[in-house]
Amino acid sequence: SQELEQSPQSLIVQEGKNLTINCTSSKTLYGLYWYKQKYGEGLIFLMMLQKGGEEKSHEKITAKLDEKKQQSSLHITASQPSHAGIYLCGADMDAGGTSYGKLTFGQGTILTVHP
Amino acid sequence: EAGVVQSPRYKIIEKKQPVAFWCNPISGHNTLYWYRQNLGQGPELLIRYENEEAVDDSQLPKDRFSAERLKGVDSTLKIQPAELGDSAVYLCASSFEGLAGAGELFFGEGSRLTVL
Repeated sequence: SQELEQSPQSLIVQEGKNLTINCTSSKTLYGLYWYKQKYGEGLIFLMMLQKGGEEKSHEKITAKLDEKKQQSSLHITASQPSHAGIYLCGADMDAGGTSYGKLTFGQGTILTVHP
Repeated sequence: EAGVVQSPRYKIIEKKQPVAFWCNPISGHNTLYWYRQNLGQGPELLIRYENEEAVDDSQLPKDRFSAERLKGVDSTLKIQPAELGDSAVYLCASSFEGLAGAGELFFGEGSRLTVL
């Protein structure tokens, strides 16, 4: 089973709609990373969250890490076709946060935005 | 500034043939990672280097996979012989790791391997 579960697995929205992608772990997360990937390309870093309750925003994308540090959400406001792609959460799941880049990834969420 | 460069982008081989992938990390990044991404899945770490030393290769299938990072800069990942199940995208990433821990991972565009 996946250590990090993302939901939904895929999402189709109309341009302008808001959407949320969730990333859930059964273990405490010591660092949570959100990446975006376009098909056939590498991963592009979006945001990193480390503290429980932390929230970060970049343009129309907001990510939060819950207080218990076991779930993160990525919210896109007023989606655009340029937001389409695969969103991946990656986490440092090593106690003490010493895994130094040994990120465990979720399976990804495929986002399609129709104009 | 140039990003992480990988080659080849695509490779199609028959099973039992050897294959090699090359990665040039971002200048100054001391840590280099090889990840494998199967279709519809997230990347999985194969090996991590700090400079020229492989500090985590626990997920590398050592019977057929090998990697090296001579001089602590660019790296090669080799598969010999390749099997059908090795078809995947092989991603290289790099970061600068200092006293504060690892920084952001920068990924290359990947090398897509198809084994027939």
